[in-house]
Parts: sequence; structure tokens; C-alpha cells
Amino acid sequence: AQSVSQHNHHVILSEAASLELGCNYSYGGTVNLFWYVQYPGQHLQLLLKYFSGDPLVKGIKGFEAEFIKSKFSFNLRKPSVQWSDTAEYFCAVNKAPGGYNKLIFGAGTRLAVHP
Amino acid sequence: NAGVTQTPKFRILKIGQSMTLQCAQDMNHNYMYWYRQDPGMGLKLIYYSVGAGITDKGEVPNGYNVSRSTTEDFPLRLELAAPSQTSVYFCASSSGVAGGEQYFGPGTRLTVT
Repeated sequence: AQSVSQHNHHVILSEAASLELGCNYSYGGTVNLFWYVQYPGQHLQLLLKYFSGDPLVKGIKGFEAEFIKSKFSFNLRKPSVQWSDTAEYFCAVNKAPGGYNKLIFGAGTRLAVHP
Repeated sequence: NAGVTQTPKFRILKIGQSMTLQCAQDMNHNYMYWYRQDPGMGLKLIYYSVGAGITDKGEVPNGYNVSRSTTEDFPLRLELAAPSQTSVYFCASSSGVAGGEQYFGPGTRLTVT
């Protein structure tokens, strides 16, 4: 069965520190990859996504992610975090094509950014 | 437009009670989904629908039922609630475009005691 692993469950950073959150998936076929974010008290929203083409994708709020097919990875990065980035981050995968856009989610990483 | 809406926001049920979680979307999306989110577990797919009248099971369907009589609405029914169903429930929708992103509702926090 497909699965998504997020390596860090909790990350604590100071403002201006760099961020990298790991994500690996186990599916040998073609996939679409997503990072969703859930700010405190809010619903999930899309941060960025990869379908095809340039493996380095840029999302909202200065986030980017790199798809490395040989490593089955899609790590999320931000050069300098802000207090407002405090949130829970979820990596997700769906099969392409087909699969009805169903998502397999990782367990999530809680990020706390201290001023 | 409102996107994906869910009611209620919070609910406490006693063991054995039943209830329906409501979900509606106004984006004319064909695909709709129900997930549950447990601490440290991410989101798990309960049921999904690819159009009115068409539903199918996800990863964790036991104890739940769904129906899809219209494009807009996708209610989730809990029969005989159990403590294991204490969770946060999210509804989502997606267009029929392959690889389309999902749009999530605000969630329903359900406690079964």
C-alpha cells in the first residue's frame, strides 16, 4: 500500500532560521505531490504542488519544495521562517493518472517558530 | 463563494447515538471526500464520491455511511457512535481535472463519550 512518511513530527525554530521538512512516499508509479498547511484554528490550505516539469516548485509565502524522483522525496524548504509560519504541515500524494485525486497524507509536522 | 462548508463545528455524542455531518461546496466540483484527522496520524480517507449518485470507500470506512444526491452536498452519517470515532472530520472537494488540488472545509470536531 502507498504511504507517506514525514520525518519530523515537531520542529521548533527561531525566527529567521532556515526550514527543511522531509517527506518520502512509497509508490513506484507517477505521482502528484502536495504540501498543505493548517494554521492554528484554520482549515487545510494548499502551500504548493508538483505535477510535472521543473522539480523545484515554488509556493505561497516563500515556500519551495524539490521533487527528487530517485529518492521518492518531496522536501519542503523556506530560507527564513517567520512567527506566522507556526502551523502544521502535511505532505500528500496522489496517483497520476486516475485515482480520482484521492490523497494519501503523511502524519504531519508541527512547526513552532519563536520570535 | 463560500467554498466548502461543514456543520456543525463541534459535537459531543454519547456511545450508540447517531448523527450526520453536513458538507456542501459551491464550486461545482465533481469529486468530494471525507477525511478524519487523529493526532499524530495525519488525515485518513473515509469515503469519496466522483459525482452525484456515485460513492466509494476509502481507507477507513467502517462505522460510516455516505450519500451524494446532489453535486453540492456530501453528508457523512455515523451510526452507533463509538469512542474510536472521536476525531476531527474534514470534508474536501476537487474538480474532475486529473491531479486537481483538494479544497478543504473548516472541520467538525466530534467527541464520543
